[in-house]
Amino acid sequence: QKEVEQDPGPLSVPEGAIVSLNCTYSNSAFQYFMWYRQYSRKGPELLMYTYSSGNKEDGRFTAQVDKSSKYISLFIRDSQPSDSATYLCAMSANAGGTSYGKLTFGQGTILTVHP
Amino acid sequence: EAGVTQFPSHSVIEKGQTVTLRCDPISGHDNLYWYRRVMGKEIKFLLHFVKESKQDESGMPNNRFLAERTGGTYSTLKVQPAELEDSGVYFCASSQGELLEAFFGQGTRLTVV
Repeated sequence: QKEVEQDPGPLSVPEGAIVSLNCTYSNSAFQYFMWYRQYSRKGPELLMYTYSSGNKEDGRFTAQVDKSSKYISLFIRDSQPSDSATYLCAMSANAGGTSYGKLTFGQGTILTVHP
Repeated sequence: EAGVTQFPSHSVIEKGQTVTLRCDPISGHDNLYWYRRVMGKEIKFLLHFVKESKQDESGMPNNRFLAERTGGTYSTLKVQPAELEDSGVYFCASSQGELLEAFFGQGTRLTVV
């Protein structure tokens, strides 16, 4: 069983739609949760970063973490064609110590927002 | 400020040959990471440098892979000899101090034929 499960999609939505992207995980040691966006032929770019459970909002993006269910989500409001990319969830067990910075990724969800 | 730079962007080699990938991190970033994405799979951690020291190399697949970071600046990842299953995209990332925000390079696409 993978440590992080993410539905690869693809997901296709019309412009303006609300997009919901999700990951589940099995390692209860994960405390830091990230969402990366990756455009074709580019490297992953950090979108959101959350520590432990709760919500975090940044513009049209909202990240949610539910540690009790081992479930994280990314919501995109008023989606735009420029949001079309692969969205990757990633997790880390700790900051500091010997394993900080080691990220465990989901497979990524391919999102297309059509005009 | 320049981002993380990787060379080459694409490499095609024959099975049994040697390939060296290079990563230039963001200036001042002590942490440097190598990751790999094999086709159809998730991005996987390979190893982590803090300055010139290997902090964690638990993700290195086998002893055909050798990573170095001389002087704590740029890093190289050598694959010798390359096998077909080594094909994939190799990413380098760097971060500052104990921050988890890692900046990724564009990746090197390695094809072993």
